[in-house]
Amino acid sequence: GESVGLHLPTLSVQEGDNSIINCAYSNSASDYFIWYKQESGKGPQFIIDIRSNMDKRQGQRVTVLLNKTVKHLSLQIAATQPGDSAVYFCAEKIRSNDYKLSFGAGTTVTVRA
Amino acid sequence: KAGVTQTPRYLIKTRGQQVTLSCSPISGHRSVSWYQQTPGQGLQFLFEYFSETQRNKGNFPGRFSGRQFSNSRSEMNVSTLELGDSALYLCASSATQGAYEQYFGPGTRLTVT
Repeated sequence: GESVGLHLPTLSVQEGDNSIINCAYSNSASDYFIWYKQESGKGPQFIIDIRSNMDKRQGQRVTVLLNKTVKHLSLQIAATQPGDSAVYFCAEKIRSNDYKLSFGAGTTVTVRA
Repeated sequence: KAGVTQTPRYLIKTRGQQVTLSCSPISGHRSVSWYQQTPGQGLQFLFEYFSETQRNKGNFPGRFSGRQFSNSRSEMNVSTLELGDSALYLCASSATQGAYEQYFGPGTRLTVT
């Protein structure tokens, strides 16, 4: 089964607020993590990635935090916009299994106007 | 640069039939991975191809197969279709093998009746 999971299946956020989406993983051998956004009718879209030798990485309006001690990954979206409404997946790549990503179940984010 | 393209976008088949799905990766990308997405199981890795060779395979029966051509385009085939094969089939490309920074296509929605 998958070793990556998300804490909450749904998240409702007020427009303009910050969003935090969480993900727990169980495989300490994982060395690379990615966040994807999937809008209705589309394939997953790459948002941001982080390698296991980093704790934090920032992109445009997004920040990924990695806590290897508790095997926890989070995606923070600043000033959430209606266009951020989507399903968000975290995925991991395990060093010993080089050629695939293991995906979590996904969190559906709904932005309230 | 054009993204990953998948054809057809929608497909309806009956049980027992076989189906072939096509994926054209981003120009210059040599790795193609296939995933099955269903509401119950989420995103599940099928296989990855790099330089016309299957590099890794997920836990799917032998009815699922694939191949990659010299121009990096890939096809996947499902024989003897079952109702449970109804899913969104996603193709992802990356510049090199190893699943870093995978870019997904829009998927092929397969319905088996």
